[in-house]
Amino acid sequence: TQTVSQSDAHVTVFEGDSVELRCNYSYGGSIYLSWYIQHHGHGLQFLLKYYSGNPVVQGVNGFEAEFSKSDSSFHLRKASVHWSDSAVYFCAVSHNTNTGKLTFGDGTVLTVKP
Amino acid sequence: AQTIHQWPVAEIKAVGSPLSLGCTIKGKSSPNLYWYWQATGGTLQQLFYSITVGQVESVVQLNLSASRPKDDQFILSTEKLLLSHSGFYLCAWSLGWVNQDTQYFGPGTRLLVL
Repeated sequence: TQTVSQSDAHVTVFEGDSVELRCNYSYGGSIYLSWYIQHHGHGLQFLLKYYSGNPVVQGVNGFEAEFSKSDSSFHLRKASVHWSDSAVYFCAVSHNTNTGKLTFGDGTVLTVKP
Repeated sequence: AQTIHQWPVAEIKAVGSPLSLGCTIKGKSSPNLYWYWQATGGTLQQLFYSITVGQVESVVQLNLSASRPKDDQFILSTEKLLLSHSGFYLCAWSLGWVNQDTQYFGPGTRLLVL
């Protein structure tokens, strides 16, 4: 069974700060990892994904994430946040099944204060 | 460009009443389609997936059913709603079948069962 853990339910930073949202997974096989953002009352917007190759992947709006096999992690980072980055961030993992199933973490609420 | 549309935007329904939610994908032929459910303030859970017209597989049993009557249409329904069906329903699509294909989500339908 694959699990995704987002240890921080809430993160609050100020505009211009850097931020790291943590994601850890447990699965031993070949997987792909992704991050999504959900603004209040809206659907999910894809940010970035990792499957293989360079462990640091770049996404939209200045987000990047780093995969670490040794730590079983896929943390999301942004160097300088904007108030519009306030949203819920979901980490998701998928392995090679016939369902295309994404297993999501519980999400991290990011609040960016002016 | 591909667009994904869900209808209705929101519904308030009585326990025991029927439900039909729709999802349409434009600009992409033969997509893989998915239904997800998100409890209020919670994470997402995949309900169904479909790789072709007329073929739908259930991932989680929640007294719901799904159908794919057309290549670009995915329907979620039930004959009798339960209180536990309340939440946010999201439709998603992906290009292919391998695990690294990104899933793109629609705007969602918010359902309140009273």
